[in-house]
Amino acid sequence: AQTVTQSQPEMSVQEAETVTLSCTYDTSESDYYLFWYKQPPSRQMILVIRQEAYKQQNATENRFSVNFQKAAKSFSLKISDSQLGDAAMYFCAYRTDSNYQLIWGAGTKLIIKP
Amino acid sequence: ETGVTQTPRHLVMGMTNKKSLKCEQHLGHNAMYWYKQSAKKPLELMFVYNFKEQTENNSVPSRFSPECPNSSHLFLHLHTLQPEDSALYLCASSPRTGPETQYFGPGTRLLVL
Repeated sequence: AQTVTQSQPEMSVQEAETVTLSCTYDTSESDYYLFWYKQPPSRQMILVIRQEAYKQQNATENRFSVNFQKAAKSFSLKISDSQLGDAAMYFCAYRTDSNYQLIWGAGTKLIIKP
Repeated sequence: ETGVTQTPRHLVMGMTNKKSLKCEQHLGHNAMYWYKQSAKKPLELMFVYNFKEQTENNSVPSRFSPECPNSSHLFLHLHTLQPEDSALYLCASSPRTGPETQYFGPGTRLLVL
């Protein structure tokens, strides 16, 4: 069965520092896609970053980057220079090329301390 | 953000009521989705529509009835719900049901009394 695990229910970081959120997944597929979504208290789920499994280079989007370890089935999100606006629930999600269903982790609540 | 809108944002209903949730996307997408989000649980996919045709029903109870009159609008009709159906209901859309990114609405917070 395909599963996504976020082992950290809650994380906190000092403003301007760096934090890493972990995500592991279980799959027997070789082609798939991984996503990090952010859900602020306003509740609008927003895509943060995505990674195609066939790409060896880690995706980056400004202060957000991933550490994709395909063999270890790990997909962590690093947030650099944390800002108060980064406070949110962060969800890791997975899907294959053939199945449009997103498999979601349970989420990590990120708290930013001023 | 106005890409995907949902109304109402909050809804309180009794177990014998009938209500409907509405989702509209302004992105020109062809696929739309209903998700249920309960506290401390992963998002649960409920229904998928691709070009107005339902392509997925994830064993959802019949008290939830979706409707997709066109590619821009998606409804979720509710009747005789149970208290455990209280949750945040999220609508999403994507260009197709391929690996494209899904864009989410703000959700409807539903409370069933």
